[in-house]
Amino acid sequence: KNQVEQSPQSLIILEGKNCTLQCNYTVSPFSNLRWYKQDTGRGPVSLTIMTFSENTKSNGRYTATLDADTKQSSLHITASQLSDSASYICVVSAKAAGNMLTFGGGTRLMVKP
Amino acid sequence: DAGVIQSPRHEVTEMGQEVTLRCKPISGHNSLFWYRQTMMRGLELLIYFNNNVPIDDSGMPEDRFSAKMPNASFSTLKIQPSEPRDSAVYFCASSWTRDYEQYFGPGTRLTVT
Repeated sequence: KNQVEQSPQSLIILEGKNCTLQCNYTVSPFSNLRWYKQDTGRGPVSLTIMTFSENTKSNGRYTATLDADTKQSSLHITASQLSDSASYICVVSAKAAGNMLTFGGGTRLMVKP
Repeated sequence: DAGVIQSPRHEVTEMGQEVTLRCKPISGHNSLFWYRQTMMRGLELLIYFNNNVPIDDSGMPEDRFSAKMPNASFSTLKIQPSEPRDSAVYFCASSWTRDYEQYFGPGTRLTVT
């Protein structure tokens, strides 16, 4: 069964600190992995999309890594800001005739001043 | 471009009533997705259209739910009859193709009493 597990479920950090969010998956056959940021009351916004051959991808202060062998991904946030407070969702897409997307439960990040 | 447009933004209805949610994707995108999000189940893909054709509706909960895409610029998600357990935020998203970045609308918050 395809699954995506994220950890931690929630995280509180101080402004300016770095943090790393984890995503483990069992989706097969793998197509791509996406990280989304979702502010409260709004729709998710894509941060990165990574395919099998990509190990790391950056988007400003966000850096995603992918280890396709261990089926793990991480999202590293550098020099956190109050606006980083949001839920971060990992989504893995499987190669299939349809569109098999498996969603993680998300990590709720709170950045405090 | 105004982005993905959804209406209404909020809907409160009584159990048994018909509910219709509307979505206008970004012009030029040929993939459209309907999602449901709840605290308990997180984000779930309900149905995916490509070039106005439903490709994967395996996420549609039951026959009470139906979705249509009569043209490239409009889609509806209908619930008939609605039940309290349908209360959730429903998101519409669009992309160039299935594997490209998805752009989400602001969502429709549905409350069924």
